[in-house]
Amino acid sequence: AQTVTQSQPEMSVQEAETVTLSCTYDTSESDYYLFWYKQPPSRQMILVIRQEAYKQQNATENRFSVNFQKAAKSFSLKISDSQLGDAAMYFCAYRSEGGTSYGKLTFGQGTILTVHP
Amino acid sequence: DAGVTQSPTHLIKTRGQQVTLRCSPKSGHDTVSWYQQALGQGPQFIFQYYEEEERQRGNFPDRFSGHQFPNYSSELNVNALLLGDSALYLCASSLHGGGVADTQYFGPGTRLTVL
Repeated sequence: AQTVTQSQPEMSVQEAETVTLSCTYDTSESDYYLFWYKQPPSRQMILVIRQEAYKQQNATENRFSVNFQKAAKSFSLKISDSQLGDAAMYFCAYRSEGGTSYGKLTFGQGTILTVHP
Repeated sequence: DAGVTQSPTHLIKTRGQQVTLRCSPKSGHDTVSWYQQALGQGPQFIFQYYEEEERQRGNFPDRFSGHQFPNYSSELNVNALLLGDSALYLCASSLHGGGVADTQYFGPGTRLTVL
C-alpha cells in the first residue's frame, strides 16, 4: 500500500518570503500523480498543484512550484512571495494510475502554514 | 460553472441513528469519491462510485454504504452511528479515465457530530 508522510506538522513564514513544505511517499508503482491541496479554516479542500510522475519537469502554478525527486520519492511544495491568504493546512496526496488502488487519493497528515504580516 | 456541492452543511445525530449525506459533482464529472476527515488529520478514503457502482473501497465497515444516481450525484449512508463517526465528510468529483482529467475536486464538506 502507498503511504504519504508530511514530517512538518507546522510551518511559519513572513509575508512576502518563501517557504517550502516537505512530503515523502512510498510506492512500488511507476505511474502515478502527486497533488498538493490547501484547506483553509473554511474547510474547503482546494487543489494547489499536481505533478505527473512520468514528467521530469517540475510543475509550477504562479507562486507555487514543486520539487519532484522521483528516485528519492520526494515531492516538496515551494510558495514564493507568501501572502496572508496562503495560511491554511496543506496536504500532500498520491493517486495511483492503475492496479487495485486506482482512483483513490492517499493523503499525508498535513502541515499547518501560518503567515505572519 | 457549478463546483461540487454537498448537503447538509452540519448535522447532529445520536448514537445508533442513521444518516444520509448528499453530493452533487462538478459539471462534466462522472465519478464521485467520499472521504472522512477527523479533526486535525488528513482525509481517509471511504469509497468511489462510477457508473452507479462502487469501484473502490477503503478500510471502512459495512455500516458505510453509498449510492450513485443516473445524474452522477451520490449519497453516503452511515448506519448505527458511533461516537467515532464524528468527522468532516468530504465529497470529491472527477472525470473517470485517469490522467489529468481524473483530478479530484472537493466540495465544502458536511460536518457530522454524533452525541
